[in-house]
Amino acid sequence: RKEVEQDPGPFNVPEGATVAFNCTYSNSASQSFFWYRQDCRKEPKLLMSVYSSGNEDGRFTAQLNRASQYISLLIRDSKLSDSATYLCVVTPTGNQFYFGTGTSLTVIP
Amino acid sequence: EAGVVQSPRYKIIEKKQPVAFWCNPISGHNTLYWYRQNLGQGPELLIRYENEEAVDDSQLPKDRFSAERLKGVDSTLKIQPAELGDSAVYLCASSGGTDNSPLHFGNGTRLTVT
Repeated sequence: RKEVEQDPGPFNVPEGATVAFNCTYSNSASQSFFWYRQDCRKEPKLLMSVYSSGNEDGRFTAQLNRASQYISLLIRDSKLSDSATYLCVVTPTGNQFYFGTGTSLTVIP
Repeated sequence: EAGVVQSPRYKIIEKKQPVAFWCNPISGHNTLYWYRQNLGQGPELLIRYENEEAVDDSQLPKDRFSAERLKGVDSTLKIQPAELGDSAVYLCASSGGTDNSPLHFGNGTRLTVT
């Protein structure tokens, strides 16, 4: 079983729409969680950390559900510039990082 | 602060040739990672260093891949001989090594083996 499972999409949504991605993880002892964004032919870049109580950064909201072992990312009021691949990352320990396959998002004008 | 620096950005070689990638992590980051990313996939760990010690190399194909981080700072990843299936993006990353410290990636090296 993979450490992290993620729906690859693609998600094609109109501008202004709200879109949500989920990601499940297998190790219940996982400690830290992140969402990364990766543009075409670029390296992954940290979008936001995911905290136990949930956290928000502008139009982006991340949530953690430890009981069901999943994390989610919600994007409100989608912009064209949000088009990218979104990778969820789980760390069983402080120095081990496991990536999902990424979810492709295209925001359509 | 300066980010993770990798070179070269692109490399095209013929199969059976050797190739090497170089990485300099963020200053003060003791943990260094080499990942390989294939098209449409997430990064997969090849090797992780804590200072100069390779603490996780279970996914490194040791028959043809080698890595070193002699002084615990910059690192080199080598493939010899390269195979067609090695074509991928090789990403170096570093982290502060504490809980909740995220990974910071370099630009990557896009390797094409012909």
